[in-house]
Amino acid sequence: DVKVTQSSRYLVKRTGEKVFLECVQDMDHENMFWYRQDPGLGLRLIYFSYDVKMKEKGDIPEGYSVSREKKERFSLILESASTNQTSMYLCASSSNDIPGEQYFGPGTRLTVT
Amino acid sequence: LAKTTQPISMDSYEGQEVNITCSHNNIATNDYITWYQQFPSQGPRFIIQGYKTKVTNEVASLFIPADRKSSTLSLPRVSLSDTAVYYCLVGDLPPGGFKTIFGAGTRLFVKA
Repeated sequence: DVKVTQSSRYLVKRTGEKVFLECVQDMDHENMFWYRQDPGLGLRLIYFSYDVKMKEKGDIPEGYSVSREKKERFSLILESASTNQTSMYLCASSSNDIPGEQYFGPGTRLTVT
Repeated sequence: LAKTTQPISMDSYEGQEVNITCSHNNIATNDYITWYQQFPSQGPRFIIQGYKTKVTNEVASLFIPADRKSSTLSLPRVSLSDTAVYYCLVGDLPPGGFKTIFGAGTRLFVKA
């Protein structure tokens, strides 16, 4: 089974802090994604990566950056956390063979106070 | 990018067939249609994917008309455990990136 793990299930940070969310997948997938999910808004794509060191902006990249130094790991960085970044963050990965079939991690619920 | 429109919520009873329709009027030639299921406090789970006509797996069927401007997810004989949010997703293939848009989802509530 494909496994996508995220570094934390729950995280509380203060406004202005730099926040790192880590995601690791074990299926050698080419594509990795970061989404945030807010009530009533569904999932919104922040960034995705289709290869090591490659990244593309999604729908809401402002306030975020990403890093993909190794194929299995995709990091989401909040340079200076703000309260409007309080959300559920979901990481996903997919293979080029079936790119629409994304495997999601359990999510990280981030609270910025 | 093609946006999707789904009903906000649907109710059903155990044992019934449920059909959830998604509109994607601006779907592009290279776009695939994918459906996901999400339970509370979990990440979404892939259900089915298709490009055109009909696709069936052990869980669901996906009907896509010739113009591909909509798609219908069909869940046969639902049970209480099918109560979840269902997302329709349209996206294209790499290279050039895989841009996806999740809609707001359809909340399905299955009653006994």
